[in-house]
Amino acid sequence: DAGITQSPRHKVTETGTPVTLRCHQTENHRYMYWYRQDPGHGLRLIHYSYGVKDTDKGEVSDGYSVSRSKTEDFLLTLESATSSQTSVYFCAISEQGPVQDQPQHFGDGTRLSIL
Amino acid sequence: SQQGEEDPQALSIQEGENATMNCSYKTSINNLQWYRQNSGRGLVHLILIRSNEREKHSGRLRVTLDTSKKSSSLLITASRAADTASYFCATVFNAGGTSYGKLTFGQGTILTVHP
Repeated sequence: DAGITQSPRHKVTETGTPVTLRCHQTENHRYMYWYRQDPGHGLRLIHYSYGVKDTDKGEVSDGYSVSRSKTEDFLLTLESATSSQTSVYFCAISEQGPVQDQPQHFGDGTRLSIL
Repeated sequence: SQQGEEDPQALSIQEGENATMNCSYKTSINNLQWYRQNSGRGLVHLILIRSNEREKHSGRLRVTLDTSKKSSSLLITASRAADTASYFCATVFNAGGTSYGKLTFGQGTILTVHP
């Protein structure tokens, strides 16, 4: 398995609180991604990073921010969590971008419940 | 939307039978990828097929790509109970000439293989 660790694995919190999810990789891959997975929607890209301090928005970025200060860590922050952000969040990594025919390797996810 | 659409949504078969899943998409692609997801786990990359390829094999997996019909199929031969999982196709297209491209997932096919 690719060396990807997501933390926490489960979290329950209340509406309006800030939440930060962490993705840590040991593969030294350049690209890192955050997805959310919801029934009926499949996986949707939230944000991605193509290098340290280089990030861009994905398909469903509203309400989320990210930071990447080191190659190995990619943080996803919900500034003020809402119930619509209850989901399973997956981090993924790849050596190069998708158009370079690179597969992505996924962590085991964080199950986030916002009450 | 560029999102791939899998068909069928659910497939139930007996061990030893073949399983075929289909994926259709809407615009020109750079490559198409298939992933497997076991319950409670992250996605695992199975196979990548480039837009100029028509067929690829990996063990018991066979993937075909028909760019004229904008469709792909994943065949699992001699299925096993351990193949029970959700299977996703994901397409990569390069909009706007960026070097990154985007990987967009379909909603998946749930495969159940009965012993």
